[in-house]
Amino acid sequence: RKEVEQDPGPFNVPEGATVAFNCTYSNSASQSFFWYRQDCRKEPKLLMSVYSSGNEDGRFTAQLNRASQYISLLIRDSKLSDSATYLCVVNMGGGGNKLTFGTGTQLKVEL
Amino acid sequence: GAVVSQHPSWVICKSGTSVKIECRSLDFQATTMFWYRQFPKQSLMLMATSNEGSKATYEQGVEKDKFLINHASLTLSTLTVTSAHPEDSSFYICSARNRNYGYTFGSGTRLTVV
Repeated sequence: RKEVEQDPGPFNVPEGATVAFNCTYSNSASQSFFWYRQDCRKEPKLLMSVYSSGNEDGRFTAQLNRASQYISLLIRDSKLSDSATYLCVVNMGGGGNKLTFGTGTQLKVEL
Repeated sequence: GAVVSQHPSWVICKSGTSVKIECRSLDFQATTMFWYRQFPKQSLMLMATSNEGSKATYEQGVEKDKFLINHASLTLSTLTVTSAHPEDSSFYICSARNRNYGYTFGSGTRLTVV
């Protein structure tokens, strides 16, 4: 089983749609969770951290379910500029503060 | 905000040569730097973790003699791909961690070995 697992997509959605991505992680002792966005041939950029209480940043909402080891990202009113790969990233603890990346979910927003 | 400058952005080199990639933290001191590699349509895979002034810790399966990491100061880490081969062609990205800024990524280096 992969340490961080995501559906690679691609998800093709029309502009204005609401789309959700899910991610599962294997290590129950994981400490912190993030969603990153990566554009083609670019470095990942932090989209938002994910907290147990859930958090929202504009059109983006992230949620964490520790019991199910599950993370989600919801994008409302999607824009063409949201087209990218969304990476689920987990700090699994254990010292070293290393991040483990999922393979990413590709989103394509179309007219 | 925190910025990590990575150079070069891309490099094409011949098989057997060595390539050095630099990462500098511009406005903060990076106590830890991470080096990743990303093949097409795959995730970022951690290669090694370096702490200033000490030897890097390599992930399983990564050859330390092939991928030399030097973290001589709190603002500079280098990765040297020695005796590069076509299978080393990849996207290499560094990340610096600082207590105040968390994780900041460099812009990546696309290496093509011909």
